[in-house]
Amino acid sequence: ETGVTQTPRHLVMGMTNKKSLKCEQHLGHNAMYWYKQSAKKPLELMFVYSLEERVENNSVPSRFSPECPNSSHLFLHLHTLQPEDSALYLCASSQSGTVDSPLHFGNGTRLTVT
Amino acid sequence: TQLLEQSPQFLSIQEGENLTVYCNSSSVFSSLQWYRQEPGEGPVLLVTVVTGGEVKKLKRLTFQFGDARKDSSLHITAAQTGDTGLYLCAGGGDDKIIFGKGTRLHILP
Repeated sequence: ETGVTQTPRHLVMGMTNKKSLKCEQHLGHNAMYWYKQSAKKPLELMFVYSLEERVENNSVPSRFSPECPNSSHLFLHLHTLQPEDSALYLCASSQSGTVDSPLHFGNGTRLTVT
Repeated sequence: TQLLEQSPQFLSIQEGENLTVYCNSSSVFSSLQWYRQEPGEGPVLLVTVVTGGEVKKLKRLTFQFGDARKDSSLHITAAQTGDTGLYLCAGGGDDKIIFGKGTRLHILP
């Protein structure tokens, strides 16, 4: 496996469900990110982990909870979501975590909250 | 607040034509990246430019970083249907990477 892998690709959940998104990177990078992509909006940074330490959470609602057990894996735990949380959730990694370090994205999880 | 404005938002042209899309800001960026995103996939990095006035070529794609490092352009020569996708620019901001909303390009056969 190469690159950044996200599972599942699609997820439909009710507002009372609890689910988790998984991301794995095989690039040996030191930083991992969660982004939210909604129609007609720029990519929104949700969380950044550098060397497994969270460095940014960007005021994301507490119904989104990230976990980074090691430099290769990243999770996003979801609970009591709202319909407006429906979006494409992208995981990315970068070599150094600096603003000039290019991002390598996974193919995303398309989340629908009903 | 640092913002990147991309124009046009949508562009539909015939195969074989040339086109230019733009990424503008009032802020200075330390670097600028262009990504292409195809349906059902994540964005893929095309190029990074770091020096004011820099020009980089990737086959039929030409990228330019403005002299003042506030803007960038992407020019495609003889567009092909495989160029269809969402083109995103992203800048190295003060403390994070800033993304534009993208230009959705559709090349007609």
